[in-house]
Amino acid sequence: GENVEQHPSTLSVQEGDSAVIKCTYSDSASNYFPWYKQELGKGPQLIIDIRSNVGEKKDQRIAVTLNKTAKHFSLHITETQPEDSAVYFCAASIIGRGSTLGRLYFGRGTQLTVWP
Amino acid sequence: GAVVSQHPSRVICKSGTSVKIECRSLDFQATTMFWYRQFPKQSLMLMATSNEGSKATYEQGVEKDKFLINHASLTLSTLTVTSAHPEDSSFYICSVGRPSSTDTQYFGPGTRLTVL
Repeated sequence: GENVEQHPSTLSVQEGDSAVIKCTYSDSASNYFPWYKQELGKGPQLIIDIRSNVGEKKDQRIAVTLNKTAKHFSLHITETQPEDSAVYFCAASIIGRGSTLGRLYFGRGTQLTVWP
Repeated sequence: GAVVSQHPSRVICKSGTSVKIECRSLDFQATTMFWYRQFPKQSLMLMATSNEGSKATYEQGVEKDKFLINHASLTLSTLTVTSAHPEDSSFYICSVGRPSSTDTQYFGPGTRLTVL
């Protein structure tokens, strides 16, 4: 099955700096890569996702890049703010199979701390 | 995004009792729901895939007689932890999704189970 590796496990940055979290996947058939943000005691919240036919996607301060050849994708957060502090999970899935919803394979998570 | 609710948000029970957790899809009819458990500072572990009108598919190592899943309608799935023990204490989270070109999954807020 799919194996998703995520690095780093912890990341501390100063407010205003950028943060980058990297993930690799093993199954070349994976074609959908969402990122989730989880605050303490809450469920994960989808923040951005990318499909394999796209190399980069941006939404305000958040961007995701995908390198299909190398099988890795990254989350970039610019101008970080203290409220960005949370655990971030990357995931990989195979989608587009009609009536079957693809299972998500998660990375181990990255605890991001943004210091004011 | 989709709105997913879970009830209860927090439950404390005595060892040996059974606990039922509800997951509701409020925005659309969900033919598939997923149940996860999450230990402190760890990633999400898929327990089972809940399919409306049919038996759930359990992941390897998850006892189906211990964790009973019922997906009786397109908006409701329930997870019952039977004869709960302290080692069952965990954060249980459901996700829902509608098969489409993106197969996006949305997570509920989670249920914190504490077994004394």
